Amino acid sequence: EVQLVESGGGLVKPGGSLRLSCAASGFTFSSYSMNWVRQAPGKGLEWVSSISSSSSYIYYADSVKGRFTISRDNAKNSLYLQMNSLRAEDTAVYYCARDNGIAVALCYWGQGTLVTVSS
Amino acid sequence: DIVMTQSPDSLAVSLGERATINCKSSQSVLYSSNNKNYLAWYQQKPGQPPKLLIYWASTRESGVPDRFSGSGSGTDFTLTISSLQAEDVAVYYCQQYYSTIFTFGPGTKVDIK
Repeated sequence: EVQLVESGGGLVKPGGSLRLSCAASGFTFSSYSMNWVRQAPGKGLEWVSSISSSSSYIYYADSVKGRFTISRDNAKNSLYLQMNSLRAEDTAVYYCARDNGIAVALCYWGQGTLVTVSS
Repeated sequence: DIVMTQSPDSLAVSLGERATINCKSSQSVLYSSNNKNYLAWYQQKPGQPPKLLIYWASTRESGVPDRFSGSGSGTDFTLTISSLQAEDVAVYYCQQYYSTIFTFGPGTKVDIK
């Protein structure tokens, strides 16, 4: 069974940093690209970043480019999101997600971790 | 970036009736080399992560009831729930994965009338 478990969320002051982790199990992690998607309280879904299986290709939403860094450790079956220069508008539940292996549509999602940016 | 819009913002449908949600992309998401539309639909219930319903605009994900169907091509797409059930109350999102920068629509909330 595919499982994705996010951790690392919490309360951080504006301008601060946080590192999110996503522990993957139940599939060959090194074979799949991975994504971060966030959802501000009461708002819609916003794709944040993606990373290819070997980390060769990395993409970011304009809203986080230059501040967030996605990475992965295939030996540890883990995905990361380093978030720097955090702003109030980065407050959201952050999900890690994997595609279904057929299309790049996101089939498997974690339960999310809440990041709150507030003074 | 490709901008996704959805209509309506919300709708209320009687149990057993049809619900139709529209999604429009600011540019075509039809990839000519394989004739596939890079468009997905998701369902999200309160307190839960999204659930993939449809990919390639019209292919149901495994386990998704056949009352859910997707149609459309190019820039205009539709998600149809043929006979609304109580468990279908949720917010529905379209998403394009044609571009390396994925984008979601703003969502459509479906309720029971």
